[in-house]
Amino acid sequence: QKEVEQDPGPLSVPEGAIVSLNCTYSNSAFQYFMWYRQYSRKGPELLMYTYSSGNKEDGRFTAQVDKSSKYISLFIRDSQPSDSATYLCAMSVRGTASKLTFGTGTRLQVTL
Amino acid sequence: NAGVMQNPRHLVRRRGQEARLRCSPMKGHSHVYWYRQLPEEGLKFMVYLQKENIIDESGMPKERFSAEFPKEGPSILRIQQVVRGDSAAYFCASSSRTGGGTYNEQFFGPGTRLTVL
Repeated sequence: QKEVEQDPGPLSVPEGAIVSLNCTYSNSAFQYFMWYRQYSRKGPELLMYTYSSGNKEDGRFTAQVDKSSKYISLFIRDSQPSDSATYLCAMSVRGTASKLTFGTGTRLQVTL
Repeated sequence: NAGVMQNPRHLVRRRGQEARLRCSPMKGHSHVYWYRQLPEEGLKFMVYLQKENIIDESGMPKERFSAEFPKEGPSILRIQQVVRGDSAAYFCASSSRTGGGTYNEQFFGPGTRLTVL
């Protein structure tokens, strides 16, 4: 069983839709939860990170962490074609070297 | 401010040859991480280095792979006697500091795509 599970998609939505991306994990030691966006043939770029449980909002993006369920989500409001990319969740354990454990990524396509 | 630099961007090797991948971290960053991304898979941690030290190599294959981050110059990921299964995208990331319970963003480079014929 993988430490981090993520539906690979692809997920296709019309422009303006609300997108929900999710990951589950098995390691209860994870404390930091990140969402990266990766465009084709590029390196990942950090969108948001959350420490422990709770919500965090940044513009059109909202990250949620439910540690009791070992479940994290990223919501994208008013999705745009430029949001079309692969979204990777990543996690790390507090107090250790910042080794990141990634999900496989969900490919998102926002259509006009 | 230049980001993380990786070269070459594309590398083709025949089975049995050596591959050398280079990573120059962002200015002011002294922590480097290497990750490997196989087709249709997420990034897998390989190794974490500080200047002249390997901090965590728990993700490195036991044979043929090595990494260094010398006092001067870029970090090098070296793969000896490459096999077809080594074909992947190799990403380098850097951060300014780590540990102590705080999170310090890892900035990723554009990757080196290795193809083994």
